[in-house]
Amino acid sequence: DGGITQSPKYLFRKEGQNVTLSCEQNLNHDAMYWYRQDPGQGLRLIYYSQIVNDFQKGDIAEGYSVSREKKESFPLTVTSAQKNPTAFYLCASSRQRTDTQYFGPGTRLTVL
Amino acid sequence: DQQVKQNSPSLSVQEGRISILNCDYTNSMFDYFLWYKKYPAEGPTFLISISSIKDKNEDGRFTVFLNKSAKHLSLHIVPSQPGDSAVYFCAAKLSIGNEKLTFGTGTRLTIIP
Repeated sequence: DGGITQSPKYLFRKEGQNVTLSCEQNLNHDAMYWYRQDPGQGLRLIYYSQIVNDFQKGDIAEGYSVSREKKESFPLTVTSAQKNPTAFYLCASSRQRTDTQYFGPGTRLTVL
Repeated sequence: DQQVKQNSPSLSVQEGRISILNCDYTNSMFDYFLWYKKYPAEGPTFLISISSIKDKNEDGRFTVFLNKSAKHLSLHIVPSQPGDSAVYFCAAKLSIGNEKLTFGTGTRLTIIP
């Protein structure tokens, strides 16, 4: 059955290390997005991609990087430059950039 | 600057009654609005949407109302069920052709059996 998968569900990282969060979709959606959620806050857009090999910065892109080499995959790297990386990270996709976004189950990243 | 605001962080409603969740926005250029429901440690799930050319959209127990002059929208759930207990986020887009969603901070709804 179709959907969006994110792995792992929980991730721990030592300060100063880069870490890559996985996002895969088999919905044949063109557009993919990364958000982070912090306690008491709404979701904030990190990066988005409308098509393979293309992506744009969202509102809080500093300290993050992405790639979109395949339509199905949109991995997010949290670099050591991200000052407050501990958060719940959500990946989403939509059939086209104009359509409703559907979310994966999320990855909770904790930096120790 | 919070362009989409949900001023009630939490709401408790008795089972079977109506739940009303509110959302205000400041940017008059927003013209498409969505509601998402989120359980703990899960991704949000899409519930219902409305474009600015309408003032009401209904889907089963869920109805969204839009008051453009007041820059206010609300989600009505009737009758409320225990499974409706979750955090509800409203989100807004600048236009149907724009991919960026701006989210509110969420309202935690608790349905009391």
